[in-house]
Formats: sequence, C-alpha cells, structure tokens
Amino acid sequence: AQRVTQPEKLLSVFKGAPVELKCNYSYSGSPELFWYVQYSRQRLQLLLRHISRESIKGFTADLNKGETSFHLKKPFAQEEDSAMYYCALGGMNRDDKIIFGKGTRLHILP
Amino acid sequence: DADVTQTPRNRITKTGKRIMLECSQTKGHDRMYWYRQDPGLGLRLIYYSFDVKDINKGEISDGYSVSRQAQAKFSLSLESAIPNQTALYFCATRPSGDTEAFFGQGTRLTVV
Repeated sequence: AQRVTQPEKLLSVFKGAPVELKCNYSYSGSPELFWYVQYSRQRLQLLLRHISRESIKGFTADLNKGETSFHLKKPFAQEEDSAMYYCALGGMNRDDKIIFGKGTRLHILP
Repeated sequence: DADVTQTPRNRITKTGKRIMLECSQTKGHDRMYWYRQDPGLGLRLIYYSFDVKDINKGEISDGYSVSRQAQAKFSLSLESAIPNQTALYFCATRPSGDTEAFFGQGTRLTVV
C-alpha cells in the first residue's frame, strides 16, 4: 500500500539556521516523490520532485531508496519559507494515486 | 494561463442540505481528483477520475459523490451535509504520462 509519513506536525527554526523536513514512504513499485508547499491562503504548488534533482528556492531533496526517505533540506532558512509542506508519493502506473503526508508546518523565527 | 478553477471559494451550508462544489480546468488534463484538507490530517483523497467514464473512490468517499460532466469538469456533491464535512476542499488535475498534480485555489466549506 502507498503511504507517506511526515513525523513532525510543526517545525520551528531560526532564520539562517538549517532546515530539514522529514518524509518516509512505503511503495512497492518505482515511486515518484514530490514536495508541495502551501503558503498562507494560497493553493498547493509543486516545490520539487525527485526526478528533476534540482534546487528550488534553496531547497533540495534526495531520494534514499534504502531508507525509503525523501527529506527536504535547506542550509539557511529564510522568513519567507514559513509555510505548510507536504510530501507526496505518486507512480506512473495508470491506477496510481497521488498520496500526501499529513504535512509539516514550518515556522521560521526571526 | 491554463488553470484549475474551483467554485465557490467559500460556502456556509446547513446540516442536511445538498451542496455541490465545482471544478473546471483548462489544462487539458485527463485525470482529476478531489481532496479534503483538515488540520493535522493533511490531504485525503475523496474521489478521482481518469476520464469521463472512469471514476474511482478514494480513501474517504462515504457521504460524497462525484460527476465528471466533461473532460474539463469534475463536480463533488455532499448529498446531506454534516458538520464533520467542514473542511477545505481541493480539486487537482494531472496529465497522463506525468505525475505532477496541479491544484485549484480550494473551497472552504462550513456545515453548521
């Protein structure tokens, strides 16, 4: 069964400090992992996906198949990073759904 | 710009009333989804559709129904609204052959 676990509901980090939002997944096939971000009163938008292997707004995430993890990292937090972050799991099979974790609220302290 | 549009944006309704939330898209995507977002529970899938004739239940479909009137339109109905259906509802689309989802702005529904 597809499952995404985000263990932290809330993460408070000081501005300039490193950020790591944890995500673990369960999937029997070849997964595609995503991070979506939701800023206050806005729609969810894609932040990054593991297949692109790019850095967006200073964030990176590496898929670790051995640990079934896809943690989101940023070396220096900025106040505008405060938002809700969702890890998501999808697959390329026709019947695959997009499953979201419960989300982590990132709060950047001044 | 191609977009995913939800109507209404906000709605307050009474317990027992039937209500429909609408989603339309100009992205030309064949897959459409309805999620509800609750604090601490994240996004949970209600229904999803791969095309007009292919509709599937998600993890929390009880109390909801959907209609895919056309490729571009996917409506969510609450047959008899109850207070625990108070939530933020999101529609999303996804093209076949890709896994990225595109979301609407959300509909905030309050059942009193």
